[in-house]
Amino acid sequence: GAVVSQHPSRVICKSGTSVKIECRSLDFQATTMFWYRQFPKQSLMLMATSNEGSKATYEQGVEKDKFLINHASLTLSTLTVTSAHPEDSSFYICSARDSSNTGELFFGEGSRLTVL
Amino acid sequence: AQSVSQHNHHVILSEAASLELGCNYSYGGTVNLFWYVQYPGQHLQLLLKYFSGDPLVKGIKGFEAEFIKSKFSFNLRKPSVQWSDTAEYFCAVNGGSQGNLIFGKGTKLSVKP
Repeated sequence: GAVVSQHPSRVICKSGTSVKIECRSLDFQATTMFWYRQFPKQSLMLMATSNEGSKATYEQGVEKDKFLINHASLTLSTLTVTSAHPEDSSFYICSARDSSNTGELFFGEGSRLTVL
Repeated sequence: AQSVSQHNHHVILSEAASLELGCNYSYGGTVNLFWYVQYPGQHLQLLLKYFSGDPLVKGIKGFEAEFIKSKFSFNLRKPSVQWSDTAEYFCAVNGGSQGNLIFGKGTKLSVKP
């Protein structure tokens, strides 16, 4: 099946620094990618929708200046957590929609961010 | 706003027991429904999906789910679980304004050998 790769899988950073997470569709093109955040024992919450070549669409309550999303190509979207704080510590998951086939969503392995 | 409810937070079963995980959604229109599984340390994987047609859907690894429109339900079942089924299970519906999936909170399944 289609593969979505997320990198890094784990990252620890100091408060105030910025962290970039990459999401790549390895064997298909994805005009749309979604970024989710998962809190412990809770569901995946959609943060934003990333569309190739255009600005991301953010969900209500998600700060677009804090969570910068770039979708510069059909196979890569990045999420940058700027000026990270401990409350940003979470599990971030991306998913990509296969543009050519059934539009099925495929998920990355997730990235666990810990902000000290 | 649409929502997905999974009734059980944690289910503990012995091997060979039968499994049924509940899932209800709140959208009254045409829906596509999904069950995903997340094994420990791994990414989400699609178990099965319902788009249309036969409301009884068969997925991978012996799982099946039944779409009951009148009950807004899409329960996941397996007649006989194995230890390797230990994982977290998420029900989802596509109903977000961006075409995204809306997820339930997940049910953790622990199967005792």
